[in-house]
Amino acid sequence: AQSVTQLDSQVPVFEEAPVELRCNYSSSVSVYLFWYVQYPNQGLQLLLKYLSGSTLVKGINGFEAEFNKSQTSFHLRKPSVHISDTAEYFCAVTEGANNLFFGTGTRLTVIP
Amino acid sequence: DAGVTQSPTHLIKTRGQQVTLRCSPKSGHDTVSWYQQALGQGPQFIFQYYEEEERQRGNFPDRFSGHQFPNYSSELNVNALLLGDSALYLCASSWSWSYEQYFGPGTRLTVT
Repeated sequence: AQSVTQLDSQVPVFEEAPVELRCNYSSSVSVYLFWYVQYPNQGLQLLLKYLSGSTLVKGINGFEAEFNKSQTSFHLRKPSVHISDTAEYFCAVTEGANNLFFGTGTRLTVIP
Repeated sequence: DAGVTQSPTHLIKTRGQQVTLRCSPKSGHDTVSWYQQALGQGPQFIFQYYEEEERQRGNFPDRFSGHQFPNYSSELNVNALLLGDSALYLCASSWSWSYEQYFGPGTRLTVT
């Protein structure tokens, strides 16, 4: 069965500092991985995705993530955060059946 | 090009009532998925519609039903509402061959 674990429910970070949001998944087969961002009172916006190929994927707003099959991880990183990055971030996985399994989310708060 | 739209934005219902939520997919998309996002949680997959049929279903009771119309728009119906049905309901659309889902802004349902 698929599952996603986001170990950090809240991550505070100072503006212009780097940040890493952690995501681990469990699956017995090959997976496709996603990071979504949710701003207050809004739907989900796709940040980036891993389907195949290079394990380092770049997304919008300067975010990137690295797929590590041996550690079953897909951590999200940004070298320098802005106030506007304050939001809820969700990691999601699918085995190809199109239904996404989401983690419980990480609230990123950027401190001025 | 309009993205995924949902209506209504907010809804308040009484326990035991029935509710219908609506979704119009992104132009060109033929597949619609519905998710329930409880407060402080990640979205949970309810079901997916393609070619006017339910293609996949998550772990939700039969009180949750749906429909897809020939123009690919979709409805989510919930009967015999419970207090625990209070949540943000998200619609996502995609091409049938793609793993990338585009989310709408959601409908906030409150059951009193």
